[in-house]
Amino acid sequence: DAGVTQSPTHLIKTRGQQVTLRCSPKSGHDTVSWYQQALGQGPQFIFQYYEEEERQRGNFPDRFSGHQFPNYSSELNVNALLLGDSALYLCASSLWYGYEQYFGPGTRLTVT
Amino acid sequence: DAKTTQPPSMDCAEGRAANLPCNHSTISGNEYVYWYRQIHSQGPQYIIHGLKNNETNEMASLIITEDRKSSTLILPHATLRDTAVYYCIVRVAGNYGGSQGNLIFGKGTKLSVKP
Repeated sequence: DAGVTQSPTHLIKTRGQQVTLRCSPKSGHDTVSWYQQALGQGPQFIFQYYEEEERQRGNFPDRFSGHQFPNYSSELNVNALLLGDSALYLCASSLWYGYEQYFGPGTRLTVT
Repeated sequence: DAKTTQPPSMDCAEGRAANLPCNHSTISGNEYVYWYRQIHSQGPQYIIHGLKNNETNEMASLIITEDRKSSTLILPHATLRDTAVYYCIVRVAGNYGGSQGNLIFGKGTKLSVKP
């Protein structure tokens, strides 16, 4: 049983570019949440998707958007990249009526 | 902001029990206590959660005080692989079951297990 997978593992982009990160949830899970973790900080919640809709959103600008597909996988898109967007982006999957969120290994994004 | 307070760092000798404290004095009756840990550069790993009663699983035990204002995570026999940042998080119960809402991470406790 595969756990949460994320792609790519690492990514380097230039300021102003756009990026798409991908997440496949743990088998049987229907909810995907995205977190941003800057160096030395705890993860910060970006948004959560269930039934292909954004259900909750953290304090992130509209440059951050997402999507959930019918197979429950999800994408995180970031437009007009800033240097401050450099971080580890974590995807977590869960059951909507469950208790645990299981995290993937993350995508390390570097903006130069 | 995180609703929990944890010591920034702790040391533990290998093979001994590691007791990690957490204060959550403003916890509401419908909020669970969760523990996650993060080993360097990996995604956080779920450890355990509880509401009122003490809980135990294959990884750890969670002791919650009767007034629910604090809790302790116990790793019974710490190994070098338990060196990580440990996060204590409170999370609201869902209206129809489960626990919903995002996880609000604080700075956590950096546990160093030493030989």
